[in-house]
Amino acid sequence: GAGVSQTPSNKVTEKGKYVELRCDPISGHTALYWYRQSLGQGPEFLIYFQGTGAADDSGLPNDRFFAVRPEGSVSTLKIQRTERGDSAVYLCASSLNGAGAGTDTQYFGPGTRLTVL
Amino acid sequence: AQTVTQSQPEMSVQEAETVTLSCTYDTSESDYYLFWYKQPPSRQMILVIRQEAYKQQNATENRFSVNFQKAAKSFSLKISDSQLGDAAMYFCAYAGYGNKLVFGAGTILRVKS
Repeated sequence: GAGVSQTPSNKVTEKGKYVELRCDPISGHTALYWYRQSLGQGPEFLIYFQGTGAADDSGLPNDRFFAVRPEGSVSTLKIQRTERGDSAVYLCASSLNGAGAGTDTQYFGPGTRLTVL
Repeated sequence: AQTVTQSQPEMSVQEAETVTLSCTYDTSESDYYLFWYKQPPSRQMILVIRQEAYKQQNATENRFSVNFQKAAKSFSLKISDSQLGDAAMYFCAYAGYGNKLVFGAGTILRVKS
């Protein structure tokens, strides 16, 4: 596609529920990233995929968070037993080859705003 | 761990004037990159400018330029001839070894007509 797309744009859920957030990267990009942006803060890294595998998941806050990219394209971020503190904008980015964040430009999607009531 | 600090939560500039946004960072890595990203209300982050730490020359992109002071670990963004479309949140970001970006908290830029 022309750019990174994310669905849904907004998601409202209740505490304790399960949610899935989807990211569709730029066609041909092998690297994909998830970031979380809490209100009034900058994005924080969650996880990085190279192809189908999670190359770095050091930013996932706890075991309620999980992400997959089964075919090396679309990725889904899954949050179990949501808590009010999970409310944030979840941003996805993709880059051409994962050669390093310095030179391999990350292109961001518009994010999904998750609200946990 | 690397950190990025933006000490100006909000800045204002008159249209056609110049504004400078500040950023400092902390790292022990010898080779790294610094970025400024723009985030309009649409939420989509847009890369404005990139600086390679080993290059002494400050990066420029049209009306956007940086003042990179490596010893002071300072990386400010200058926007010349400000336009209404420049109004957005601006994030300073760091990339060292690896694939993640480390962002500051952001500066809201308001442009007055």
